[in-house]
Amino acid sequence: DTAVSQTPKYLVTQMGNDKSIKCEQNLGHDTMYWYKQDSKKFLKIMFSYNNKELIINETVPNRFSPKSPDKAHLNLHINSLELGDSAVYFCASSQESRTGFGYTFGSGTRLTVV
Amino acid sequence: EDQVTQSPEALRLQEGESSSLNCSYTVSGLRGLFWYRQDPGKGPEFLFTLYSAGEEKEKERLKATLTKKESFLHITAPKPEDSATYLCAVQASGDMRFGAGTRLTVKP
Repeated sequence: DTAVSQTPKYLVTQMGNDKSIKCEQNLGHDTMYWYKQDSKKFLKIMFSYNNKELIINETVPNRFSPKSPDKAHLNLHINSLELGDSAVYFCASSQESRTGFGYTFGSGTRLTVV
Repeated sequence: EDQVTQSPEALRLQEGESSSLNCSYTVSGLRGLFWYRQDPGKGPEFLFTLYSAGEEKEKERLKATLTKKESFLHITAPKPEDSATYLCAVQASGDMRFGAGTRLTVKP
């Protein structure tokens, strides 16, 4: 199936740990994103990558780092996890030349920091 | 800074009761206004893109319209399967900025 896939779907971890969330898209899109959805369901952009270059970096803590080994993957690494990092994280992709088709989102990773 | 405000936060309808969701926006150089549907435990699913004032798009029971300051998502004779959170987003020169969504519940 063509899609954006994220793993894991659920992640429970203790404060201070380091964790990664993986994302892969097989749509041939050239841009990938990470969004954070908080408890109020508000989606906020964190990062986007276009052709392996970071083109947007919102004011997120530098404990968060995106890593893109190739155009089809954008992983999110988080160091020294804090309670406030608990949220649902969504990966998305798009094709820059086809903005009218919107973004394709993964199904999300629910991160719980205890 | 780009702003997107959606209202109401939540809307409960009876099956067949038509209504509208509102998305007000402030953005410089709008490239597109997007509507998405999000079901619980899933990512947003793209519905429509609108580019300029006066434009309308339709899909089944949904119709999206756009003015210079706001967009409406009209739902005609909704069914329980239309229950979801509907998200509005705008895109100018950079990334897509989302509103907080309207949680729609349609009761049979």
